[in-house]
Amino acid sequence: SQTIHQWPATLVQPVGSPLSLECTVEGTSNPNLYWYRQAAGRGLQLLFYSVGIGQISSEVPQNLSASRPQDRQFILSSKKLLLSDSGFYLCAWSLSPTGPPGFGSGTRLTVV
Amino acid sequence: GQQLNQSPQSMFIQEGEDVSMNCTSSSIFNTWLWYKQEPGEGPVLLIALYKAGELTSNGRLTAQFGITRKDSFLNISASIPSDVGIYFCAGLGGSNYKLTFGKGTLLTVNP
Repeated sequence: SQTIHQWPATLVQPVGSPLSLECTVEGTSNPNLYWYRQAAGRGLQLLFYSVGIGQISSEVPQNLSASRPQDRQFILSSKKLLLSDSGFYLCAWSLSPTGPPGFGSGTRLTVV
Repeated sequence: GQQLNQSPQSMFIQEGEDVSMNCTSSSIFNTWLWYKQEPGEGPVLLIALYKAGELTSNGRLTAQFGITRKDSFLNISASIPSDVGIYFCAGLGGSNYKLTFGKGTLLTVNP
């Protein structure tokens, strides 16, 4: 069966510091991968998605970037964090573009 | 862009009661999904609906894909304390990858 791993679970970073969140999927090949952010208001916002190695689509202009160096690895990065980058970040995967995404356990990022 | 209106925003019920929540949109969706999220965790898929009019159950949960393809509801029967969490609807429209999420329904069950 497929599993998704996301780490770290929590992170406190100072403003201006870099960020790297990692997500890996096991048990499948060539998954569609997604990064979502969930603000305190509960809504989930799609940040990036990828259909293959090296392919990244950005949904929202922002201070963040994503990379997919390997088939089942998805990384969310920032060179300099802003206070507004705080939130709950969720990695997700699906077998196809129309398949329901399965979510990781999330990373709670607090920028101070 | 597409938007989903999910209601109610929150519910406080007694254990054993039935629950109903729904999502509506001005746009047509091809897929409706219902997720549950517990504190500090990622959402977990409860039910996926792929055809207009489809009615699907998962234990005490039942969801339907509206005939107009613009709405969906989720019912929970005989609620128990572990049903507590935030329930999200999500729709997938004509543009793949781009799930649209409702803002969630916070469910509290009093034992």
